[in-house]
Amino acid sequence: EPEVTQTPSHQVTQMGQEVILRCVPISNHLYFYWYRQILGQKVEFLVSFYNNEISEKSEIFDDQFSVERPDGSNFTLKIRSTKLEDSAMYFCASSEELLAGAETQYFGPGTRLLVL
Amino acid sequence: QKEVEQNSGPLSVPEGAIASLNCTYSDRGSQSFFWYRQYSGKSPELIMFIYSNGDKEDGRFTAQLNKASQYVSLLIRDSQPSDSATYLCAVKGGSSGGSNYKLTFGKGTLLTVNP
Repeated sequence: EPEVTQTPSHQVTQMGQEVILRCVPISNHLYFYWYRQILGQKVEFLVSFYNNEISEKSEIFDDQFSVERPDGSNFTLKIRSTKLEDSAMYFCASSEELLAGAETQYFGPGTRLLVL
Repeated sequence: QKEVEQNSGPLSVPEGAIASLNCTYSDRGSQSFFWYRQYSGKSPELIMFIYSNGDKEDGRFTAQLNKASQYVSLLIRDSQPSDSATYLCAVKGGSSGGSNYKLTFGKGTLLTVNP
C-alpha cells in the first residue's frame, strides 16, 4: 500500500542552525502539507503546497520556513536559524484531491526535531 | 479562529465495551470531518471521514455527525486493547473563505481499553 515517507526519523541540531526535512508523498497525490506537533500539544498546520507553489500557510509559517519540491518526488521543509521552540514532531502529509471523497490527508511517520 | 474541542480523557473502557468519543467544532461552515488515531510517538492514522449528517459505519467504527449541533462523535464497538491510543478529531473547510486545504485538529482523547 502506498505511503508517505519521511527522512530523517530524528534530527538533533544546535540553535541557529538550518535543517531540511524531507518527504516523499504518495506518488499520484497532488497536494502536499506540513504539520507539526509539539510534545503534548495539538497537531498544527504549517503549509500546503500545490502545483509548485504555496496554496496556504499558517501564522507559524513565517520567513524562517520554506518549502520546495526540488524534483518529481521529494517535498522538503527548510527551517532556517532554528530556535528552541522549533523542537517538535514534523509530519508531512499528502492528498489526492481537494474534492470530497479524495481529500483525505495521509500522514508520514514524522521527523522528530530536537533543537539544543 | 476555528476551534475543535475534545475531552482529553483518559477514557477508560473494558475490553469488549463500546467506547464513545466526542468532538465539537466552532465553525458552522465546516464541511469535512475526520477521525485519526495516534499511538504514542507515531503519526496520525486515518480511521474514517464523514461529510453528511447522520451515521457512517466502517467495521467496528461508527462516525456520527450533527451539523446543527456542531458535533461529531466516534463509536468503537467491541473495544480491544489494541485500540488504546489518542483519537484525534480533525475538521476541514469553513465559512468566510475557510480553508479547503488545512485540517484543524483537536487535542485528542486518550482511550485506554483494559483487558
